Formats: sequence, structure tokens, C-alpha cells
Amino acid sequence: ETGVTQSPTHLIKTRGQQVTLRCSSQSGHNTVSWYQQALGQGPQFIFQYYREEENGRGNFPPRFSGLQFPNYSSELNVNALELDDSALYLCASSFGTEGPNYGYTFGSGTRLTVV
Amino acid sequence: KNQVEQSPQSLIILEGKNCTLQCNYTVSPFSNLRWYKQDTGRGPVSLTIMTFSENTKSNGRYTATLDADTKQSSLHITASQLSDSASYICVVTYNNNDMRFGAGTRLTVKP
Repeated sequence: ETGVTQSPTHLIKTRGQQVTLRCSSQSGHNTVSWYQQALGQGPQFIFQYYREEENGRGNFPPRFSGLQFPNYSSELNVNALELDDSALYLCASSFGTEGPNYGYTFGSGTRLTVV
Repeated sequence: KNQVEQSPQSLIILEGKNCTLQCNYTVSPFSNLRWYKQDTGRGPVSLTIMTFSENTKSNGRYTATLDADTKQSSLHITASQLSDSASYICVVTYNNNDMRFGAGTRLTVKP
């Protein structure tokens, strides 16, 4: 059984640029959730994808967008990067939409630095 | 307002000692509460999950308690090891499918 893998592990971008982060869900999981974790803070929910559609969104602007593919992997896209976007971006997979009850598996995250 | 507050913010203990981390929440209606361990630069890993009817749950040297009446939970670590150095995050699920993360307690275990 493979866990959740995220790529890249580290990334440095310039303000105004666009970035794409990738996540492969754990085998058997069909739901992917994305979180932004600033240094010293708990993760903040960005959005969740279930069956290739967005299934819930946190308080993030539209320049944060995502995709889920038929194999349940997912991408997080951020346009017009701002300095405050610098954070650890975590992907978590689960089965169905009952993740909070049945458990999430987190990836190791992508550390994004915007300069 | 649905909040999860953790204390202390950071903690330093000597190897072999015990410690207790606290989590207070105001979220409602409560579904479950999880404690996660997050090593630096890694994703969180679940330690325990507790539902409304559970008061205590153990996972090795980790013991979580839950008082649903006072909306408080604690995570007790026994005989700490250097590898216990990490952030410990309390996560409360409410409305069956919404989650609120605490900011975490940063634990450092020194030899």
C-alpha cells in the first residue's frame, strides 16, 4: 500500500508567478484535500476534491484552484503568487467524503517560498 | 465561533520525563477529536481518534483523554524519547464533515 506522495518537496517562486503542486493519493482513496500551513500554525483548509469535482472550499481566493484526475491524483494551482503564500502545502487523501470520521492520510508536503 | 485552542504553544522537557498537552475547543456539534504528530517538514500522522462516548484512548506511550462536557482534551506522553520532538496538533471534527485544526504544541525533548 503506497501512501500520499507530493511533488515537488521544495519550491522557490517569484511574486506574481504561477505554481502547480501535485499529489498522488493513497491506494484505495478517492478524495483529496489540500491545506496551507504557515510556519508555527495549524493547517488551513483550502479545498477538497471528490470524484473530480470540488467538494468544499475554505476561505481562499479564486487564484487558488485545483484539479482531480480520474486516477484520483490532484493538482493545486496558485496564480499571481504573493509573499504570504509562502507556506507548507499539505495534501491529504481519504475514502469518500467521510474523511474526518474514517481518517486522512497526509503527504509530507511541498514547501513553497515566494520571494 | 468554532475554535480549537492548544496549550502550551511550546514545551521543552528532558528525555524520560512525562508531559501533558492540552486542547480546548468550542466547535459544535462535535463529531470526533484527533491528535496528530507532525515532524518538522513532514505531514501530520494520526495518533488517536476519540468520539463523544470515549474518555481515554492509548497508543503506546501516548494517552489521549476527552471530556466532552467541558470540551477539553489532553495528550499525555509517557517516558519521552528524543524522537517525540515534534508538533502535536489537535483536530476537531464537527457537523460530521467539517474540521478545525489547532495551531499545535511544539514539543522539544532534550537529552
